[in-house]
Amino acid sequence: EAGVAQSPRYKIIEKRQSVAFWCNPISGHATLYWYQQILGQGPKLLIQFQNNGVVDDSQLPKDRFSAERLKGVDSTLKIQPAKLEDSAVYLCASSLVAGGKYYNEQFFGPGTRLTVL
Amino acid sequence: GENVEQHPSTLSVQEGDSAVIKCTYSDSASNYFPWYKQELGKRPQLIIDIRSNVGEKKDQRIAVTLNKTAKHFSLHITETQPEDSAVYFCAASNPPGGFKTIFGAGTRLFVKA
Repeated sequence: EAGVAQSPRYKIIEKRQSVAFWCNPISGHATLYWYQQILGQGPKLLIQFQNNGVVDDSQLPKDRFSAERLKGVDSTLKIQPAKLEDSAVYLCASSLVAGGKYYNEQFFGPGTRLTVL
Repeated sequence: GENVEQHPSTLSVQEGDSAVIKCTYSDSASNYFPWYKQELGKRPQLIIDIRSNVGEKKDQRIAVTLNKTAKHFSLHITETQPEDSAVYFCAASNPPGGFKTIFGAGTRLFVKA
């Protein structure tokens, strides 16, 4: 079974520039998560999708961050404009919903390491 | 808001000794508690989890205990090996609607050979 795919793996930009990350979850996983992991900290949930609908985006800085999952499969996370404090690893994860039952285990992608200069 | 506190932040043990990592959570509605292991530069991977209707779960050298009344849960690793060296994250998950997950800050475990 293929895992969660993310690209790019690394990105370096200057502050005030824009950047976009892409995630392809495990096939059949209806739930998709974007996390921000700052060095030395635990992952912080930014947004959670159920199919193409947003379940939770309470911690997403909506003035600069946006995310979409238009067809309920792939997702993109965008930052515009970037700030120095956005430097972090952005992790995508997915989990399964089957027969109306939620399976809790989240499978993480390799992450995108963003450096904002 | 919801919070998960994790202690210690760093733990160093001798190979063969046991390691214990403790977490507390604030949201009494949480009912699923996973533990993830993250090796340097790699993605977090689930190593064990426990649900609120169970007090203890064991998988070979790893065990997790849960005290719902006190809102505490702990990870126990016995007979530690150098390959157990990593950062371990606890998390608490809150239904409904897809289980919003709050992670602890992590414990960096060093196992000395």
